[in-house]
Amino acid sequence: NAGVTQTPKFRVLKTGQSMTLLCAQDMNHEYMYWYRQDPGMGLRLIHYSVGEGTTAKGEVPDGYNVSRLKKQNFLLGLESAAPSQTSVYFCASSYSLAGTGVEGHRYTFGSGTRLTVV
Amino acid sequence: DQQVKQNSPSLSVQEGRISILNCDYTNSMFDYFLWYKKYPAEGPTFLISISSIKDKNEDGRFTVFLNKSAKHLSLHIVPSQPGDSAVYFCAASAGYQKVTFGTGTKLQVIP
Repeated sequence: NAGVTQTPKFRVLKTGQSMTLLCAQDMNHEYMYWYRQDPGMGLRLIHYSVGEGTTAKGEVPDGYNVSRLKKQNFLLGLESAAPSQTSVYFCASSYSLAGTGVEGHRYTFGSGTRLTVV
Repeated sequence: DQQVKQNSPSLSVQEGRISILNCDYTNSMFDYFLWYKKYPAEGPTFLISISSIKDKNEDGRFTVFLNKSAKHLSLHIVPSQPGDSAVYFCAASAGYQKVTFGTGTKLQVIP
């Protein structure tokens, strides 16, 4: 049981380049999330999805786009990378809150993607 | 506005002693609280949780205490072990809202 898998694990981009981070989960979770972790800032929500075909903005969405074409996959795109987007990115998934109550608060995280923009 | 605050960025404790990690929150609508643990180069993993109808929840060496009037929760680890060395994130949510995470406290347990 793989849980949440993120690819790639590491990436170095030049300013202005684009890339897509892939997140895949095999737990049949309804909800999926993208976070970034920066020193002293904790985990900040970029975008999230409450179901296939739906996405919504989190607290730091600027410069990022997402898509959830399949229930098990959640893609995070950077159209024109900037040094400020240097960070560690985590994908997470959870059950629906409506369906499972408090279990929906327990997120399963991937192991992260370390992105450096130079 | 940081709704979940962990004011201690780091904590060092001797092996076998108690570790106490603290967390304060500002949103009185939060009704579910969680602690996550994160090792280097790994994603956070769920550790323990508590709902607002309780003031204490235990799971082995880990106990979470909730003081709603003070908007404060704490995680106690007894006894602390070197394998507990990690970053601990406090988190909270209100009803069907998304979980809000704190900034984390790095715990070092010294053998």
